Amino acid sequence: DTGVSQDPRHKITKRGQNVTFRCDPISEHNRLYWYRQTLGQGPEFLTYFQNEAQLEKSRLLSDRFSAERPKGSFSTLEIQRTEQGDSAMYLCASSSPQGLNTEAFFGQGTRLTVV
Amino acid sequence: AQKITQTQPGMFVQEKEAVTLDCTYDTSDQSYGLFWYKQPSSGEMIFLIYQGSYDEQNATEGRYSLNFQKARKSANLVISASQLGDSAMYFCATPETGGFKTIFGAGTRLFVKA
Repeated sequence: DTGVSQDPRHKITKRGQNVTFRCDPISEHNRLYWYRQTLGQGPEFLTYFQNEAQLEKSRLLSDRFSAERPKGSFSTLEIQRTEQGDSAMYLCASSSPQGLNTEAFFGQGTRLTVV
Repeated sequence: AQKITQTQPGMFVQEKEAVTLDCTYDTSDQSYGLFWYKQPSSGEMIFLIYQGSYDEQNATEGRYSLNFQKARKSANLVISASQLGDSAMYFCATPETGGFKTIFGAGTRLFVKA
């Protein structure tokens, strides 16, 4: 296992369309996170899974956003009716269950452009 | 609420010289941790170094060291002997106390000149 994998790396979509991103975490990691990063800013937390349970969601995650981790392994993030303001880098990260201060390992992100 | 502040939007350093990237944090917790991540143009966030609030020694990892000054609430990253490949965004971050997320600063873009 070489790390956190995200697919696709880039996505261009028209406003109003739905998009879905996939994240495959490091296999032994039970914690999975989604972050959003806009140009010139640090990543902002979107949501957190422990195994298949979604334990925390940010206020940034409007009702157009939904995330799943059905079997506690890979996760998907869907954005419905995309808006231009959704254009950003979407980062997935995973970490092991060993402690709150364990570092998260990030994927290379999916860069979304809504035109 | 916890907060990370990075006041340097961009920094230039000559190859082979050392550079310090500033980070200040705001927390009322006694126990906390601080991370530094590097983000090259490829987008991936790469973990560099970690400092715990109770660690007596400043953390070091190869060419990276953390200048941790608890009283000033600062955790500056020092990169020694800069290399061209060090050109990237650098983020200071801290785990949310009682939560699960990591809180990031706005980042500093480092440019290493040949």
